Amino acid sequence: KAGVTQTPRYLIKTRGQQVTLSCSPISGHRSVSWYQQTPGQGLQFLFEYFSETQRNKGNFPGRFSGRQFSNSRSEMNVSTLELGDSALYLCASSLTGSYGYTFGSGTRLTVV
Amino acid sequence: GENVEQHPSTLSVQEGDSAVIKCTYSDSASNYFPWYKQELGKRPQLIIDIRSNVGEKKDQRIAVTLNKTAKHFSLHITETQPEDSAVYFCAASINGGGKLIFGQGTELSVKP
Repeated sequence: KAGVTQTPRYLIKTRGQQVTLSCSPISGHRSVSWYQQTPGQGLQFLFEYFSETQRNKGNFPGRFSGRQFSNSRSEMNVSTLELGDSALYLCASSLTGSYGYTFGSGTRLTVV
Repeated sequence: GENVEQHPSTLSVQEGDSAVIKCTYSDSASNYFPWYKQELGKRPQLIIDIRSNVGEKKDQRIAVTLNKTAKHFSLHITETQPEDSAVYFCAASINGGGKLIFGQGTELSVKP
């Protein structure tokens, strides 16, 4: 069974641009969470969606937004990119929406 | 706010020795505690998790213990092998759910 798939794997963007990242969860999983991973801040929670509804939100500015579609696929958008947004963005999915989150391989975003 | 402290940040052991990583959480409502292993350039992988109604859980060479009174939980790896070398993250969440608060990570090095 396929794992969590994130696209694209790598992305280079210029300051001020916007970017959309995609996450396809494991088949049947309805919960998708997003995290930002940087060497300095570690793994930080962005937001979580369950059955197309945002259930939890982290402490990130409004430039970071997300959504989930009826097939459980999720997208994350970052507008007006800043150099500090350079990071590995990971999504994770769960069957139960409570436990056992499986991570994807991430999208490495570089802002220049 | 919610916070998870993880110690030590680096740990070096000889092959065959045991390794212990400790985490402390701040929110007493936390009730789910997973541990993830992340090898260089790879996604975090769930290796073991524990819920607050259980004090200890084992899976082969890996065990996790939870002390709800003291609000801390620990990962124990016995008979370490070089392939155990990786960064280990603890996390905590409230009511299960996709909002995981991660510790800063422990870089474990197992020397042959």
